[in-house]
Amino acid sequence: SQTIHQWPATLVQPVGSPLSLECTVEGTSNPNLYWYRQAAGRGLQLLFYSVGIGQISSEVPQNLSASRPQDRQFILSSKKLLLSDSGFYLCAWSVRRGGGYTFGSGTRLTVV
Amino acid sequence: KQEVTQIPAALSVPEGENLVLNCSFTDSAIYNLQWFRQDPGKGLTSLLLIQSSQREQTSGRLNASLDKSSGRSTLYIAASQPGDSATYLCAVKADTDKLIFGTGTRLQVFP
Repeated sequence: SQTIHQWPATLVQPVGSPLSLECTVEGTSNPNLYWYRQAAGRGLQLLFYSVGIGQISSEVPQNLSASRPQDRQFILSSKKLLLSDSGFYLCAWSVRRGGGYTFGSGTRLTVV
Repeated sequence: KQEVTQIPAALSVPEGENLVLNCSFTDSAIYNLQWFRQDPGKGLTSLLLIQSSQREQTSGRLNASLDKSSGRSTLYIAASQPGDSATYLCAVKADTDKLIFGTGTRLQVFP
């Protein structure tokens, strides 16, 4: 069966520090991968999605970047965190077209 | 541009009631519609996935219907329980392979 792993679960980082969040998927190949952010009291915002290794599409201009070094690995990064980067980050995967989405358990990031 | 709206935004009911949560979307050209549940501080749990060719899906006390032509879906929860308390999100998947989320319905079921 397919599973998705996301870590860490919580993270407190100072302003200006780097960030690396990792997401891996097991039990499937060539999935679509996604990073979403949920700010406090707000809806889910799509940040990045990837349809293959090295293929990244950005939805919103921001302080963050994403990379897909392997088929089932998706990484969210920042060189210098801002206070506004605080939020709940969720990784998800799906198959093409008619497939549903499966989400990871999320990372709660607090920038102080 | 696809927009997804959920009504009501919040709902508080006594245990045992049957509930209907509504979801509407502006562009009927979708591949599927998915209902999720989110508990506070947690990730999203998929409840039901309805393909564009389907009219409804059922899982236990949950039933979701889809009327693609009118841009509507409903999630029916039978005999609600306090454990059903959570935020319920609907989302549509279109040609871009992206999932567009609704605004959510926060449900509280009290004993």
